[in-house]
This record gives sequence, structure tokens and C-alpha cells, in this order.
Amino acid sequence: DQQVKQNSPSLSVQEGRISILNCDYTNSMFDYFLWYKKYPAEGPTFLISISSIKDKNEDGRFTVFLNKSAKHLSLHIVPSQPGDSAVYFCAASADSSGTYKYIFGTGTRLKVLA
Amino acid sequence: EAGVTQFPSHSVIEKGQTVTLRCDPISGHDNLYWYRRVMGKEIKFLLHFVKESKQDESGMPNNRFLAERTGGTYSTLKVQPAELEDSGVYFCASSQDYWDRASDYNEQFFGPGTRLTVL
Repeated sequence: DQQVKQNSPSLSVQEGRISILNCDYTNSMFDYFLWYKKYPAEGPTFLISISSIKDKNEDGRFTVFLNKSAKHLSLHIVPSQPGDSAVYFCAASADSSGTYKYIFGTGTRLKVLA
Repeated sequence: EAGVTQFPSHSVIEKGQTVTLRCDPISGHDNLYWYRRVMGKEIKFLLHFVKESKQDESGMPNNRFLAERTGGTYSTLKVQPAELEDSGVYFCASSQDYWDRASDYNEQFFGPGTRLTVL
């Protein structure tokens, strides 16, 4: 049973517009959420994170929103750039339970069109 | 600073053979993790070392998989004997030994992965 779900396998967005990637989770013990970006033939690279005590975290063009009641988080990229084209993975962990493993979603492939 | 390195980048073996994957974490990182991604699916946790000790091996699929981290530096993941369903990309990640909640992140740094194909 998947605890972290990314229901959109792919997304295409025009350059300069906003990209919104969504992620849902089922485990209420998760207290830390992250987004990783992955280019082909490379490992995932950290993008942005948010702890469960916050509802928003912003870093430049990237903003992550957390809605705990809905068990939903989203990543907003604005403005989108062609270099943002990659697979984006949502991940969660339950660090307060003493384990630091990440539970990943299946990823969303973002294509930013020039 | 060198990142997480993994060797080999690719490995093609036949069913029943043995393969050993190696991971060198970032220097000074006590935490080392192994993950696996099977084609098109999620990246799945396999196990977590703190220094040379296995902290969590709940994701190891079965006893054909053996992970070691002698001396608390590099780690190896051996698959013996390999089966067709073991094919995938094996990622290693490392992180520091403290949680920096003030900075709101505890990043795991991932290596480029080893693509294992079992024929």
C-alpha cells in the first residue's frame, strides 16, 4: 500500500507559467516532507522541504505548501523554465518515530515547453 | 566536496549470479541509506546504517540481499543469487548525524545510482 502518492505521472507547462505538482499521503505520522528533482542517469537532488509544523516554505522560484488536514502537499514553480524539465519526487519521513528513511512517490515528469 | 559515489554505474548479470554494489558516502556522513527504483515505480527504501550499525533494514526484500558497512565508511550491497525481479536502479544516499530543524531540512544526498540488469 503506497503511503505517498503522486497521481499525475506527467505534466507539461509553457515556459514562464506556473507548474503545480501534487502529492498525497496517508500516514499521519509523517512529520517531514521533501521534494527531489531527478534528471536522467543522475541521482535525485534535494529541492525543497517542509516540516509538519509549517504550512508553507519558499525558496526562490520554488514554494511547497502543506495541508495536513487534507494530507496533501504541492510544489509550485514560478516562473517555470526549460531547465526545470525533470522528474519530481515527493518524499516523506516520520523522524519523530526514530526512523529517517524517506518514503517516495512514483514521481511526476515535468516538461517545460519553450 | 565530493558527493556520494557509486560503483559500478551499470551491471548486467545472469540470473543466479552474484553482484556487489559499492557506495562511498560524503566524508563525515554517519548515515548511509540504500534505496531501489524498479522501472517506473517509486524509489523504495532498503536499509539505513548509522556508522557501521544497521539502524533499519525493514526494506530489504529477502535474505538474498546482504549489506555491510565495515568501519563505518563505504558500504556494499551484495545480491546472491540474483533474480530477474532484482533489476532496477540502486541508489545510495548519505546524511549528517544531526537534525537541523532550525534550517528546516535534513537532506539526504543521493549518488547517481547503479543500474542492475538481471537477464
